[in-house]
Amino acid sequence: DTEVTQTPKHLVMGMTNKKSLKCEQHMGHRAMYWYKQKAKKPPELMFVYSYEKLSINESVPSRFSPECPNSSLLNLHLHALQPEDSALYLCASSRIQGDDSPLHFGNGTRLTVT
Amino acid sequence: RKEVEQDPGPFNVPEGATVAFNCTYSNSASQSFFWYRQDCRKEPKLLMSVYSSGNEDGRFTAQLNRASQYISLLIRDSKLSDSATYLCVVNSVGNLIFGKGTKLSVKP
Repeated sequence: DTEVTQTPKHLVMGMTNKKSLKCEQHMGHRAMYWYKQKAKKPPELMFVYSYEKLSINESVPSRFSPECPNSSLLNLHLHALQPEDSALYLCASSRIQGDDSPLHFGNGTRLTVT
Repeated sequence: RKEVEQDPGPFNVPEGATVAFNCTYSNSASQSFFWYRQDCRKEPKLLMSVYSSGNEDGRFTAQLNRASQYISLLIRDSKLSDSATYLCVVNSVGNLIFGKGTKLSVKP
């Protein structure tokens, strides 16, 4: 069982579609993250939210738009994606950004862009 | 030197074997270290956190060597279910840096 919940588990979308990925945690963590993972590679950081404010944007293209409505929720809005954006998108949370606590990952959304 | 480097895989071992992975890090100020296991097409799951010299949990032992700047993961009595990719993650002054992972395959 994972304490970080992501929906949907799978998503297929066309290049003109708009979709959103959702993430929820109820561990009281104040840092939330989006990672992108391609096959046989480690997760690659996209965004970090700390206390519901965007803290890090790793030069991610604007077709990916994060949102943190409250301390438990994190969304990733997708628009006009490219086939190379197909990947496993992982949400994670940690107690506080930059402290010594580990990341807790959600079960991911496997995205296919056609 | 890369920030976090792991043993190249894959490691193919028989059931019951003992296997060890190493992970070296470049920032001597790093304070916390983590091992995750990741099954194919699944999310990484936290296996062990290391804050001081080491940690042990059943068949798994992690050891930290600050002088040589590496952490190791030892798996004793390997099970088929241990087959996975093992990711080393280093907290480098607040930034979490991932190694590329080491693939372990345990055979009957």
